[in-house]
Amino acid sequence: AQKITQTQPGMFVQEKEAVTLDCTYDTSDPSYGLFWYKQPSSGEMIFLIYQGSYDQQNATEGRYSLNFQKARKSANLVISASQLGDSAMYFCAMRPFSSGSARQLTFGSGTQLTVLP
Amino acid sequence: DGGITQSPKYLFRKEGQNVTLSCEQNLNHDAMYWYRQDPGQGLRLIYYSQIVNDFQKGDIAEGYSVSREKKESFPLTVTSAQKNPTAFYLCASSPSGGNRNTEAFFGQGTRLTVV
Repeated sequence: AQKITQTQPGMFVQEKEAVTLDCTYDTSDPSYGLFWYKQPSSGEMIFLIYQGSYDQQNATEGRYSLNFQKARKSANLVISASQLGDSAMYFCAMRPFSSGSARQLTFGSGTQLTVLP
Repeated sequence: DGGITQSPKYLFRKEGQNVTLSCEQNLNHDAMYWYRQDPGQGLRLIYYSQIVNDFQKGDIAEGYSVSREKKESFPLTVTSAQKNPTAFYLCASSPSGGNRNTEAFFGQGTRLTVV
């Protein structure tokens, strides 16, 4: 079974500054994918960024980047140049890819990010 | 447009009643999931299905049931055995396979309230 841990229930950041949201995971699968989602107060889930366990480089998508440290089993999300619209709940998730594994998509408990003007 | 449709958006249930939440996708995805979200909490997996006519229990399956008779549809029934069903329910789908970007797509959610 896999587990995702997000240890920051809430974070504050000043507008235009960078912020790092922490995520650690635990799995015995050698092949897996890591995902970050944003959930505004409306409740919709917005996919932000993906990192494969065998990817050599850290993923980047616009202002989002993923600091992937496989040996430490961490996949922290970095948001650069924060905007007021970034205020939302952020979830880290993982899905194993190995054949025969239960390929369920498991989420962490989330981090509520508030961007201050 | 391709996507996932959940209905209804809001649902009220009397105690002791069963209710069914609809989830339909036209993305041709093999895998589908149901999650429950309580206020200020993360997503907990109720059931998931990798293929038609097959599904597995997630972490909190008690009091819920599902079916997967068609690839496009994965309805969730909240039974009277679920003691605290008031929550936000999210349905998701994703392609099968591994070693590639296979993010899950989510519906807009159903907010269930027991009255």
